[in-house]
Amino acid sequence: NAGVTQTPKFQVLKTGQSMTLQCAQDMNHEYMSWYRQDPGMGLRLIHYSVGAGITDQGEVPNGYNVSRSTTEDFPLRLLSAAPSQTSVYFCASTLSGGITEAFFGQGTRLTVV
Amino acid sequence: SQQGEEDPQALSIQEGENATMNCSYKTSINNLQWYRQNSGRGLVHLILIRSNEREKHSGRLRVTLDTSKKSSSLLITASRAADTASYFCATAPRAQKLVFGQGTRLTINP
Repeated sequence: NAGVTQTPKFQVLKTGQSMTLQCAQDMNHEYMSWYRQDPGMGLRLIHYSVGAGITDQGEVPNGYNVSRSTTEDFPLRLLSAAPSQTSVYFCASTLSGGITEAFFGQGTRLTVV
Repeated sequence: SQQGEEDPQALSIQEGENATMNCSYKTSINNLQWYRQNSGRGLVHLILIRSNEREKHSGRLRVTLDTSKKSSSLLITASRAADTASYFCATAPRAQKLVFGQGTRLTINP
């Protein structure tokens, strides 16, 4: 099994550009989440989904958009990139929300200049 | 604000020594989980302890949970160079969301 796959691994954007970070899982997990990791801040939850067609905001949702049209995919869209969105982004999936273990992708390192 | 807070933020020990990290949290929980992150990589699940459990073991890992104090500890015995990583605790104050602390950076010196 591939587990959780994120693409791309690295990306540089100019301020104001938009892009989509891809996340796919092959474990048939209902729950998927996006986190950002900044130095000294740990992981902060951006958006999460409890199943296809259902999404909700996390701790830091502003500037990001998500949708969940299939169980497998959970893309994260940056609408108009800002330098404050420079970070490492992680996608995770779990079988049953926060009551089972989470599986993480390898991360996307995003730099906004 | 973070649900969990790890202590210390950084820990440096000699190979073979034991490493202890602590986690405090704010609200009632269903379970508490510990994860490891090697530099530049994604997080890897280590152990999950449920709110009705007090202690759990997995290989060289020992986790305790004290719900009255809202705290947990992770003990790594007989540390190895490969244990060098950041360690995070995570809780689910609401069933759907897993919330992480800021992590403890562990360095094992040969």
